[in-house]
Amino acid sequence: NAGVTQTPKFQVLKTGQSMTLQCAQDMNHEYMSWYRQDPGMGLRLIHYSVGAGITDQGEVPNGYNVSRSTTEDFPLRLLSAAPSQTSVYFCASRITTGTFGYTFGSGTRLTVV
Amino acid sequence: SQELEQSPQSLIVQEGKNLTINCTSSKTLYGLYWYKQKYGEGLIFLMMLQKGGEEKSHEKITAKLDEKKQQSSLHITASQPSHAGIYLCGADDNYGQNFVFGPGTRLSVLP
Repeated sequence: NAGVTQTPKFQVLKTGQSMTLQCAQDMNHEYMSWYRQDPGMGLRLIHYSVGAGITDQGEVPNGYNVSRSTTEDFPLRLLSAAPSQTSVYFCASRITTGTFGYTFGSGTRLTVV
Repeated sequence: SQELEQSPQSLIVQEGKNLTINCTSSKTLYGLYWYKQKYGEGLIFLMMLQKGGEEKSHEKITAKLDEKKQQSSLHITASQPSHAGIYLCGADDNYGQNFVFGPGTRLSVLP
């Protein structure tokens, strides 16, 4: 099993560009989430999904879109990149709530210039 | 919304020393998770505590949950350089859909 796979690992964008961060899991997990990690701010939830076709906003959703057309994939779209979106992004998944913890991807380090 | 606080923010210990990291919740805990993050990498799940008074161990790491105090502690015995990293606690809100993290405790172990 590959677990949670995130691509790309590194990305540099210019302000105003758009891009999609990919996330795929092969564990048949229902729950998937996107977090961003910033120095001094910890991990903050951007969007999450409790199953295919269902998504909801987390703590910091502005500037990001998500969709969940399949159980396996949960891409995160940056519509118009801003320097404030420079961060490390983590995708995570788990079976359901209240059971095992989240399995995390290795992260995408994004720089917006 | 639920908030988690951790103390201390950072910790430097000599190899072989014991240490404790605390996590306190602003609301009732319905499950408390501990993770470790090595610098520049993703998070690794360590253990989950659900019941008040519950205690779990993994190698030299022991975690306890005090449900009444809405608090959990993570204790490392005879620390080693391999224990270095950032330790984060996480918890579900009472609906189980929003999962939040504490700010993390950065641990350095000097050989």
